[in-house]
Amino acid sequence: NAGVTQTPKFRVLKTGQSMTLLCAQDMNHEYMYWYRQDPGMGLRLIHYSVGEGTTAKGEVPDGYNVSRLKKQNFLLGLESAAPSQTSVYFCASKLAGAIREQYFGPGTRLTVT
Amino acid sequence: AQSVSQHNHHVILSEAASLELGCNYSYGGTVNLFWYVQYPGQHLQLLLKYFSGDPLVKGIKGFEAEFIKSKFSFNLRKPSVQWSDTAEYFCAVTPDTGRRALTFGSGTRLQVQP
Repeated sequence: NAGVTQTPKFRVLKTGQSMTLLCAQDMNHEYMYWYRQDPGMGLRLIHYSVGEGTTAKGEVPDGYNVSRLKKQNFLLGLESAAPSQTSVYFCASKLAGAIREQYFGPGTRLTVT
Repeated sequence: AQSVSQHNHHVILSEAASLELGCNYSYGGTVNLFWYVQYPGQHLQLLLKYFSGDPLVKGIKGFEAEFIKSKFSFNLRKPSVQWSDTAEYFCAVTPDTGRRALTFGSGTRLQVQP
């Protein structure tokens, strides 16, 4: 049982390049989330999904797209990377229902030059 | 929309000192409350959580937190810190309905000196 995994762990992009971050969970969780962590700002929600085939915007969705084609995977895409997207990205998942906690992946450190 | 405030951005303590980190939130409805810890170079781990019931909750590694509804607060405490508690601590809330995404505070960096 690996929990929540993220690939890649590190990546450096040039402005304008695209990439996809992969989040996978093996806990059969319905809900999945993408957050970004920036110094002094905590974690902020980018996009989330409450089930396979459904996604929705969080608080800072601009410049990102997501897809949830399979229940266990949640992909975060950057179509045209910008330096402002330099951050650490965390994926999380949880079971549906009220009394449930989120489980976090190890993070992806992305630098856009 | 809900928000979370952590007023202590950087705390430096000596080993064996007592710790209290403040967390206040704003939201008009029922919330679930969490404290997460992030050790250097690692991902977030859950310290403790409050959903309902006894407002004094105990977590891992000797941490506890008290939910005071009238003050919209969920402060984290530990009677005696250790060098290994050096980490960043995040308070987070989620409404009891809807997407249940976490809203995080900006974090408190704790440095424990041996």
